[in-house]
Amino acid sequence: NAGVTQTPKFQVLKTGQSMTLQCAQDMNHNSMYWYRQDPGMGLRLIYYSASEGTTDKGEVPNGYNVSRLNKREFSLRLESAAPSQTSVYFCASSGGTVETYEQYFGPGTRLTVT
Amino acid sequence: EDQVTQSPEALRLQEGESSSLNCSYTVSGLRGLFWYRQDPGKGPEFLFTLYSAGEEKEKERLKATLTKKESFLHITAPKPEDSATYLCAPPGLKTDKLIFGTGTRLQVFP
Repeated sequence: NAGVTQTPKFQVLKTGQSMTLQCAQDMNHNSMYWYRQDPGMGLRLIYYSASEGTTDKGEVPNGYNVSRLNKREFSLRLESAAPSQTSVYFCASSGGTVETYEQYFGPGTRLTVT
Repeated sequence: EDQVTQSPEALRLQEGESSSLNCSYTVSGLRGLFWYRQDPGKGPEFLFTLYSAGEEKEKERLKATLTKKESFLHITAPKPEDSATYLCAPPGLKTDKLIFGTGTRLQVFP
């Protein structure tokens, strides 16, 4: 099992460019999440999906969109990148029940917006 | 508002010097707590789930404990390879979304 995979690992964008971060999990998990991690701020939830076909905003959703393509895949799109979106982005998944709340994380995407 | 506070922010230990990390929270209806380890440049790695006050979990040199208001991660005789940032996270009320603390950065020197 690969667990949670993310692509790309690194990306540099110019202000105003768009891009999509890809995430896939092979653990048959129901719930998937996108976080950003900035120095001193900890992990902040951008969007999450409790099941295929549903998505909800997290703590910091502005400037982002998501798509839960199927049970395995959850993508994050930046329509018009801004320097404030320079961060490390993590995707995670969990079983989504009270017995399986623990989340498993991917390796991250380091994004720089100039 | 649900809040999670971890202390200390950073901890430097000599190899073999035991210590504890604290995670305190103001989460209504606490339904468990998770501990993660994060190495530089990597995603958080799941360590433990604690479901109820009084519960303890152990893994190698780490032992996690839980009360109604806080959790401790005890590190016994640490080694340099234990150096990492340790994160705690309880789920919010009526949701499986986790609320992460900012972590304790542990450095263990030989």
